[in-house]
Amino acid sequence: GAVVSQHPSRVICKSGTSVKIECRSLDFQATTMFWYRQFPKKSLMLMATSNEGSKATYEQGVEKDKFLINHASLTLSTLTVTSAHPEDSSFYICSAKGRDRQGENYGYTFGSGTRLTVV
Amino acid sequence: GQNIDQPTEMTATEGAIVQINCTYQTSGFNGLFWYQQHAGEAPTFLSYNVLDGLEEKGRFSSFLSRSKGYSYLLLKELQMKDSASYLCAVKAGANNLFFGTGTRLTVIP
Repeated sequence: GAVVSQHPSRVICKSGTSVKIECRSLDFQATTMFWYRQFPKKSLMLMATSNEGSKATYEQGVEKDKFLINHASLTLSTLTVTSAHPEDSSFYICSAKGRDRQGENYGYTFGSGTRLTVV
Repeated sequence: GQNIDQPTEMTATEGAIVQINCTYQTSGFNGLFWYQQHAGEAPTFLSYNVLDGLEEKGRFSSFLSRSKGYSYLLLKELQMKDSASYLCAVKAGANNLFFGTGTRLTVIP
């Protein structure tokens, strides 16, 4: 089945530094990647949607200069949290939608999530 | 915009049946998903409804009424491992998936 590998699973960084989170689709092409953020005991909040080779579409209230999304290939998308601050501490999850080599469509496959702590 | 509502918390007894409701108001409705999420983990897919009616899959069933903007997830023969958050998610347009607030279910002996 479709698998999305997300790394790192946990990261602790100092305030003011940048952190990059990677999501790779295994055995299928992620034509669309979604990035979510989740606060403790809350549901997933869609941050942005990216299609391979084009700029990401950000949801209202999400700063595009702070959360840089790159989706340069059909198997890799990255989210970079720039100049991180303690309020950016959260659980970040990617979700990929795409097709396999035979052209079969896959539904939404989630990565395992990244817990970011900014100190 | 999207507006998706679920109860915040529910408690049920092991072996019992529980129904988790979800109401939504959305433009471009194109299907509804239910996911299970354990604390600190990614959501796992449970069910998908795009047409009205009941979809049954083992102990879990999901119902959709598009005219009422309403869905429910039914869990039968509850087990302790079913304690988790259950997320209702609406697909709007071609791709975007928007999540409800999630329902944290606690199963007690």
